[in-house]
Amino acid sequence: GNSVTQMEGPVTLSEEAFLTINCTYTATGYPSLFWYVQYPGEGLQLLLKATKADDKGSNKGFEATYRKETTSFHLEKGSVQVSDSAVYFCALMENQGAQKLVFGQGTRLTINP
Amino acid sequence: ETGVTQSPTHLIKTRGQQVTLRCSSQSGHNTVSWYQQALGQGPQFIFQYYREEENGRGNFPPRFSGLQFPNYSSELNVNALELDDSALYLCASSLGGSQETQYFGPGTRLLVL
Repeated sequence: GNSVTQMEGPVTLSEEAFLTINCTYTATGYPSLFWYVQYPGEGLQLLLKATKADDKGSNKGFEATYRKETTSFHLEKGSVQVSDSAVYFCALMENQGAQKLVFGQGTRLTINP
Repeated sequence: ETGVTQSPTHLIKTRGQQVTLRCSSQSGHNTVSWYQQALGQGPQFIFQYYREEENGRGNFPPRFSGLQFPNYSSELNVNALELDDSALYLCASSLGGSQETQYFGPGTRLLVL
């Protein structure tokens, strides 16, 4: 079946550091790919998405590029802030009957001032 | 535009009891999906409703059931609660259609004692 694997956490960085969170997927076909963010005590917020190969999703300084060759969708940000501290989930969307999101296990990010 | 809302925010039940969780979808959305997020894990798909019909189900037993109403709001019912049902239950709404983005509510945190 389809699956998503994220880099192990937790990740701790200093403010203004460069961020990469790795995400790879296994899927039949070419699913849409997503990054969601979850702040403490809250639900999931869509951060960005990409629907086809070579698409780049971007939002709030975060970027991720849909790489078909490496089946990856790594999340990057050039300069992180304390307010970026959260749990980040990579996900793909299956479309066999229901439109079902398959999530990775999440990566907890902590940014220190 | 009103986002996805869920009620209640928190709930405590004892083993063997039954629970009903509620979700109001975002304006204009006709599809509701439910996910279970255990502590420290990514969300797992429970089922999806499209125009009042269940159109897909994940790996959850029949004691997890749902409804969607004509206004596209939805309920998740869980019978015979078990300790392992303790989790954050997330509802997401979307437009019906392939690869449509799902927008999540804040979740209901259920604790089973």
